[in-house]
Amino acid sequence: SAVISQKPSRDICQRGTSLTIQCQVDSQVTMMFWYRQQPGQSLTLIATANQGSEATYESGFVIDKFPISRPNLTFSTLTVSNMSPEDSSIYLCSVSGTGPYEQYFGPGTRLTVT
Amino acid sequence: AQKVTQAQTEISVVEKEDVTLDCVYETRDTTYYLFWYKQPPSGELVFLIRRNSFDEQNEISGRYSWNFQKSTSSFNFTITASQVVDSAVYFCALSGLNTGGFKTIFGAGTRLFVKA
Repeated sequence: SAVISQKPSRDICQRGTSLTIQCQVDSQVTMMFWYRQQPGQSLTLIATANQGSEATYESGFVIDKFPISRPNLTFSTLTVSNMSPEDSSIYLCSVSGTGPYEQYFGPGTRLTVT
Repeated sequence: AQKVTQAQTEISVVEKEDVTLDCVYETRDTTYYLFWYKQPPSGELVFLIRRNSFDEQNEISGRYSWNFQKSTSSFNFTITASQVVDSAVYFCALSGLNTGGFKTIFGAGTRLFVKA
């Protein structure tokens, strides 16, 4: 399985500011995913990020609000822009595993917006 | 439509009791994968098991067992002799071609409390 790290692990941010979350994997992976987990809720996919192409966003998520970069096969960033208290969530990075439809998740970034 | 339903929002048991977490899914895919993940209070998501749609064999791993029944579209998870460390939120999830390939759809989760 892949070892995934995320930075920061948690942050408290002011309304209207932006935060960039980093995801680092210890091996090269084709597909990386960003999920949001609002308090007490399940996981919702924000976007899929493949190296060398634009991220693919799910319904309800837009690039202006959640720009994603994928500069290489081991790294990705998610920016939460112009934050509001509704953006307070855990943001999780995941990567495709070696098996079909297998995913491994990072430890998550706990974001609180005041 | 692709959907995963975990009807049990919260379950509370006393240590050493057996507990079953229910999962019912909907999919148009003939090939699909089902998963269970554990999310302890620390927040990290821990992969427990993956099962593909062509393998209906039940699986046992220590105190954990899984019962996959395509006839009822269910993939239930049983913890035998529960322990306090089993307290967590458990998510059932589904992936298939109609979920966009590698996209995984998660159920709402079941919060399990195991009391000493």
